[in-house]
Amino acid sequence: DGGITQSPKYLFRKEGQNVTLSCEQNLNHDAMYWYRQDPGQGLRLIYYSQIVNDFQKGDIAEGYSVSREKKESFPLTVTSAQKNPTAFYLCASSMYGTSGDYEQYFGPGTRLTVT
Amino acid sequence: LAKTTQPISMDSYEGQEVNITCSHNNIATNDYITWYQQFPSQGPRFIIQGYKTKVTNEVASLFIPADRKSSTLSLPRVSLSDTAVYYCLVGGFTGGGNKLTFGTGTQLKVEL
Repeated sequence: DGGITQSPKYLFRKEGQNVTLSCEQNLNHDAMYWYRQDPGQGLRLIYYSQIVNDFQKGDIAEGYSVSREKKESFPLTVTSAQKNPTAFYLCASSMYGTSGDYEQYFGPGTRLTVT
Repeated sequence: LAKTTQPISMDSYEGQEVNITCSHNNIATNDYITWYQQFPSQGPRFIIQGYKTKVTNEVASLFIPADRKSSTLSLPRVSLSDTAVYYCLVGGFTGGGNKLTFGTGTQLKVEL
């Protein structure tokens, strides 16, 4: 089955700790994205990557870091510098090209709670 | 960035047609318009995408006027299972750069 997976589904951490959220896709997509969603709000882009070993900041990158060492994987680290890390985190992937835009396939999300 | 505006919520009944409009006055020449559906605690799911005029697939239609400053998602004969949040997304990577702007979303509630 082709798809995009995120783990774990729920994650609990103490304030001041870094935490890494996993995102893996087997769709052979070039582009991957991380979004944050707060209760009752829309999606805000944290980071995105169009190719391996390259990534760009989105609208709310402060306090987050990413890596893209493999095409299939795009882990997100929520650092202690992120002021309000408790949120629902969504990873997505898509094809990438300059001839048009491609639909994003989203993972099931990770709900992070920091206390 | 192409900021989008949608109604916060809409109510409908089963069997009716629902039209959700998204305003995007600052849409750029290369921007596409994409709609997603999201159920609680799940990732959004692609519904439809268009650039201009009208696009139709098996679940929805998308109407885009000539000036492209707005778009309307049309859901024919909705059912209870269509109760969800619908997002309008304008932009993409065409031409390079980050231009992904999700709207605030429209909560659609379908009743019997």
